[in-house]
Amino acid sequence: GENVEQHPSTLSVQEGDSAVIKCTYSDSASNYFPWYKQELGKGPQLIIDIRSNVGEKKDQRIAVTLNKTAKHFSLHITETQPEDSAVYFCAAIGPESGYALNFGKGTSLLVTP
Amino acid sequence: EAQVTQNPRYLITVTGKKLTVTCSQNMNHEYMSWYRQDPGLGLRQIYYSMNVEVTDKGDVPEGYKVSRKEKRNFPLILESPSPNQTSLYFCASSLSPSRGNQPQHFGDGTRLSIL
Repeated sequence: GENVEQHPSTLSVQEGDSAVIKCTYSDSASNYFPWYKQELGKGPQLIIDIRSNVGEKKDQRIAVTLNKTAKHFSLHITETQPEDSAVYFCAAIGPESGYALNFGKGTSLLVTP
Repeated sequence: EAQVTQNPRYLITVTGKKLTVTCSQNMNHEYMSWYRQDPGLGLRQIYYSMNVEVTDKGDVPEGYKVSRKEKRNFPLILESPSPNQTSLYFCASSLSPSRGNQPQHFGDGTRLSIL
């Protein structure tokens, strides 16, 4: 089945700096890659997603890039703010996964003022 | 407001005492799913449902049951809970994946402790 690796597991940046989280996946047939943000006591919240026919997608301060050849995708957050502090999860879905989200282990992002 | 609602949010119970965690969504979504979240293991799918009366096993279905009698509800049933089912549980829903992969929307979680 699909295996998603996520790095780093923790990331600390200063307010205003950029943060980058990287994920790799194993199933070349995977075709949908969402990113979720999870705050304490809350469920994962979708922040951006990308499909396999697109190389990059941007939404204000958040962008995701996808390299299908290398089987990796990344989340970029620019001009970070303290409210960006949370755990971020990447995920992948492929035809063999039964529509299950295969999640990475998460990155705990801390933005310090 | 579009949402996925889980109840209860917290539950402490004892081994062997049957329990049900309810999940309801108001977005008319066909697809619903249950995940459990454990430290070091991330989120793993337990069961999913493509539509009413259609359910299937995910990666970790042992010890769990589900039903989908109505489109909006997808309860998770633990017939005889055991301590290894202590976890944080999430319900999610989306439009039918048969239309192409769809964003899944999550509830706020149910923290279960089985003593």
